[in-house]
Amino acid sequence: AIQMTQSPSSLSASVGDRVAITCRASQGIRNDLGWYQQKPGKAPKLLIYAASNLQSGVPSRFSGSGSGTDFTLTISSLQPEDFATYYCLQDYTPPFTFGQGTKLEI
Amino acid sequence: EVQLVESGGGLVQPGGSLRLSCVASGFTFTSHGMSWVRQAPGKGLEWVSRIDGSGGDTSYADSVKGHFTISRDNSKNAVYLQMNSLRDEDTAVYYCAKEDTVVVTVGHTLHWLDPWGQGTLVTVSS
Repeated sequence: AIQMTQSPSSLSASVGDRVAITCRASQGIRNDLGWYQQKPGKAPKLLIYAASNLQSGVPSRFSGSGSGTDFTLTISSLQPEDFATYYCLQDYTPPFTFGQGTKLEI
Repeated sequence: EVQLVESGGGLVQPGGSLRLSCVASGFTFTSHGMSWVRQAPGKGLEWVSRIDGSGGDTSYADSVKGHFTISRDNSKNAVYLQMNSLRDEDTAVYYCAKEDTVVVTVGHTLHWLDPWGQGTLVTVSS
């Protein structure tokens, strides 16, 4: 199975900061990667699909980039509602695999 | 509005079985694959299984292969996860999610999971 290594595992930031979260795949996965946000006690929510496509309704401060093995989720100006845990998911080939998650804290 | 409602979770003894259900509404069910994802208490997300719109193509995580089976009943807009020989490590919240796909070229299909259900808790314990 493809391994997804996500970093950092946790990140402290402030409102207004620009932050970046990365995922590295153990082999090339083209652009077959999504980013998901999860708040405590809630189901995950899709933010980005196909590495760089913003899901409808998601604020434009979220962006994704990358292809092949290295991918980045960037939040340009943190808002209070962005403090959550973020996961990448490769859908290049089953079994699909998630990164370990990044907890974004104040 | 797309809705996914999971049910069937509960407390089961090690070695026991449970069948989870996810009933969908608000979209053309047969046009979409469906996935199950789980999250053990305090842990990250783990993709479990997927099934295509016709039910003819299924995939599993290595950790559940051979003891979980995914299926769907398109007449009921439902997807199921039959879980047998349950182990302590299967304790988790189980989410179902609708798959959206785009065929980029022959042999290259993009998938993403949106939306997700609210989850159902499975506890394996004696």
